[in-house]
Formats: sequence, structure tokens, C-alpha cells
Amino acid sequence: KNQVEQSPQSLIILEGKNCTLQCNYTVSPFSNLRWYKQDTGRGPVSLTIMTFSENTKSNGRYTATLDADTKQSSLHITASQLSDSASYICVVSEGGSYIPTFGRGTSLIVHP
Amino acid sequence: TAGITQAPTSQILAAGRSMTLRCTQDMRHNAMYWYRQDLGLGLRLIHYSNTAGTTGKGEVPDGYSVSRANTDDFPLTLASAVPSQTSVYFCASSDSGQEPTEGYTFGSGTRLTVV
Repeated sequence: KNQVEQSPQSLIILEGKNCTLQCNYTVSPFSNLRWYKQDTGRGPVSLTIMTFSENTKSNGRYTATLDADTKQSSLHITASQLSDSASYICVVSEGGSYIPTFGRGTSLIVHP
Repeated sequence: TAGITQAPTSQILAAGRSMTLRCTQDMRHNAMYWYRQDLGLGLRLIHYSNTAGTTGKGEVPDGYSVSRANTDDFPLTLASAVPSQTSVYFCASSDSGQEPTEGYTFGSGTRLTVV
């Protein structure tokens, strides 16, 4: 069964600090991996999408990396802001499938 | 603003009653989805539709039905609600069902409580 594991489950950091969230997956064959940000009470919003051939992709202060050999991805947030407080969800799609696998998310809290 | 509109925002429903959650998109996306999100669990796919006129079952389809009469609308119906269907329901869309190039656009969700 395809699985997506995210760590840590939750994280608290101070404003201005950097942090890195992890995503390990067993989905095969791999098609693409996406990171979403979900604010409390809202739907998820796409941050990055990466295919097999891409190692890194940035979106402002968010940088995602992908190692397709080890089946790992990370999301690095630089100079965190209070508005970064949210749940970050890793989603991996299997080639040929209409049903992506969602991780349970990492809850990030940024304190002033 | 282009996107997905879900209605209602929240609802309390008596067990055994039926209800339809509405979802409309204005992006002309071919594929649409219904997910439920429960505390401590990832988003789980209920039903999907790759194009108007077709639907498919996701991971947790039991107790739910959908229809896709046109491109824009994708209603989700609970025929006889049970307390285990208490959840937050998200509708989503993408430009294509298989390996969408731009990911999914999600609605703001419907919080359903079945009592």
C-alpha cells in the first residue's frame, strides 16, 4: 500500500528562524510530489509541484527538494513569519493513478 | 476571483437525514474530487470525476454518491447520514485527472456534524 509519512508531526519555532519539514514515501511508480499549505479553517493551497527529474523548486521563502532515489522530500522555510503558521501537507501521485496519497501533515506554529 | 465555491459552510444534520453538499468551479477544470478530512488523518478521497459525465470511487466511497452532469458542478450526497460522517469535506479540481500539471485547487470546505 502506498504511504506518505511526514515528520515532525508538529513544530514550534520563533519568528525569523528557518525550519525543514520532511516527507518520506513508498509510492511507486512515482509521478509527482506536491507540498500544500493549509491554514486553519481553509482548504489546502499548492506551494510546489515536482516531477521525477526535478531536485529542487522554490516558491518565495519555501524551497522543496526531492530525492527520488531515497524517496524523500523536504520543505525548507526561510526566515519564518507568523503567517507561516499552518499545516503543511505532502502529496505523492502514482503514475497512472487518479488517486494521490496524502500525508497527515506537519503542524507548524511560528511564535513572535 | 476564480476558484471553487462550496456550500454550505457548515451544517448540523440529524442522523438518518439526507443532505447534498454543493461544489461549483469556474476554472473549466476537467477533473473534480471530494475529500474528507478528519483530525489526525490525511485527506481521504471519497469520489472523483475525470470529466463531465463520468465518476469514480475513491478510498472511502461508502455512504456517499456523486454526479457530474456538467463541467462546473460536482455535488456530493449523503443518502442517510451517520455520526461517522461527521467531518470536514473539501471539494477540489484540477486541469486533468491523471497527473495534473498544476496540482489541485481546493474549496474552503464544509464542516458537517451528524448528531
